[in-house]
Amino acid sequence: DAKTTQPPSMDCAEGRAANLPCNHSTISGNEYVYWYRQIHSQGPQYIIHGLKNNETNEMASLIITEDRKSSTLILPHATLRDTAVYYCIVRVAFPTGGFKTIFGAGTRLFVKA
Amino acid sequence: KAGVTQTPRYLIKTRGQQVTLSCSPISGHRSVSWYQQTPGQGLQFLFEYFSETQRNKGNFPGRFSGRQFSNSRSEMNVSTLELGDSALYLCASSLAKTSGGTDTQYFGPGTRLTVL
Repeated sequence: DAKTTQPPSMDCAEGRAANLPCNHSTISGNEYVYWYRQIHSQGPQYIIHGLKNNETNEMASLIITEDRKSSTLILPHATLRDTAVYYCIVRVAFPTGGFKTIFGAGTRLFVKA
Repeated sequence: KAGVTQTPRYLIKTRGQQVTLSCSPISGHRSVSWYQQTPGQGLQFLFEYFSETQRNKGNFPGRFSGRQFSNSRSEMNVSTLELGDSALYLCASSLAKTSGGTDTQYFGPGTRLTVL
């Protein structure tokens, strides 16, 4: 019951920008979009999140469309170590408080030398 | 600030045994969630603890249980292990903010459990 859709895989040349798209057309007004990545067999790593404004941190930039139905994660200068599965998620809130994270299939990014 | 830590990192057990996994959240984080990740099922929510109480629960059998201590550290226990319990068990912590924006969840490195 993931609320997002992403392409299954993408390639990127080392040193170039990697642009990873995500569709979240059913997102509601107060739900944030989160991005994580997971390198093989390691725990997911938090990258960035946003509500409606574009966001940037030391790892990446997040561009959210005005209608909030899609977003793009940008890794400005991809390195070989950025090869991972990238997950775009919209969390499921519990009525009792708290939430759960649901990962879809994600996008497998291959950064090539 | 130290991240979420989990111990042990790797574990091999046999069917029928029980296992206890430990998670230390980021300092100041009050919510701890547990997930099971397998190649076939992906990431599945087990349960969430907040203020030493199980606040939310996923759809797993009663063999899976957990607890949280007053310092927010958490343990999960799996009894009567089955082959299908082989998985990466992930712990994630968050501040459990009640106001002022969203509440980011940070994951630990996971415990790889293999049941033979």
